[in-house]
Amino acid sequence: QQQVKQSPQSLIVQKGGISIINCAYENTAFDYFPWYQQFPGKGPALLIAIRPDVSEKKEGRFTISFNKSAKQFSLHIMDSQPGDSATYFCAARGNTGTASKLTFGTGTRLQVTL
Amino acid sequence: DTEVTQTPKHLVMGMTNKKSLKCEQHMGHRAMYWYKQKAKKPPELMFVYSYEKLSINESVPSRFSPECPNSSLLNLHLHALQPEDSALYLCASSQAWTNEKLFFGSGTQLSVL
Repeated sequence: QQQVKQSPQSLIVQKGGISIINCAYENTAFDYFPWYQQFPGKGPALLIAIRPDVSEKKEGRFTISFNKSAKQFSLHIMDSQPGDSATYFCAARGNTGTASKLTFGTGTRLQVTL
Repeated sequence: DTEVTQTPKHLVMGMTNKKSLKCEQHMGHRAMYWYKQKAKKPPELMFVYSYEKLSINESVPSRFSPECPNSSLLNLHLHALQPEDSALYLCASSQAWTNEKLFFGSGTQLSVL
């Protein structure tokens, strides 16, 4: 019940294109869904996060779409740039018990080509 | 200052060595974390300190010994490690254990020979 499944494992997108990464969760106790961006040799950095009371959140070129009934959420990167090339992790966390620990997805390596 | 600072950035140690990883934050955060990350894998939680007390130990082997000397500092003491312990060790902090926003350091890349 703690699992967060993430796909695809890797993604190649042309500059200017849209990058889409999907995640699905099982634990209905999760109520906070962040996305982290990690560059090689660096720690993960919080990119954007959403709570299940909204279906979409946008910050600049980054948008999270959230489908509570399907227990799925996704990250869309519009106008993808080479500087977006990184590994992206979705995550989920709840308020109580074992769900209160941040559970990460398996990661997606994004490469944006010129 | 929104940084979590980790030292050293790289560490190579033998299986009989004793070494320590250090982490520092000056954001007034009261929760601090150690994570282990293998290549191409997500971070795995090891320990959580809340208000300088160890609140979570994810069944980590005793060759890893955490210490929180004060609210700004977190150490991870290493002794008799195995080659499979080679990984990126990440420190993180948050305002409190109940606060979701984690700030990660850049990590210490550890190689055990």
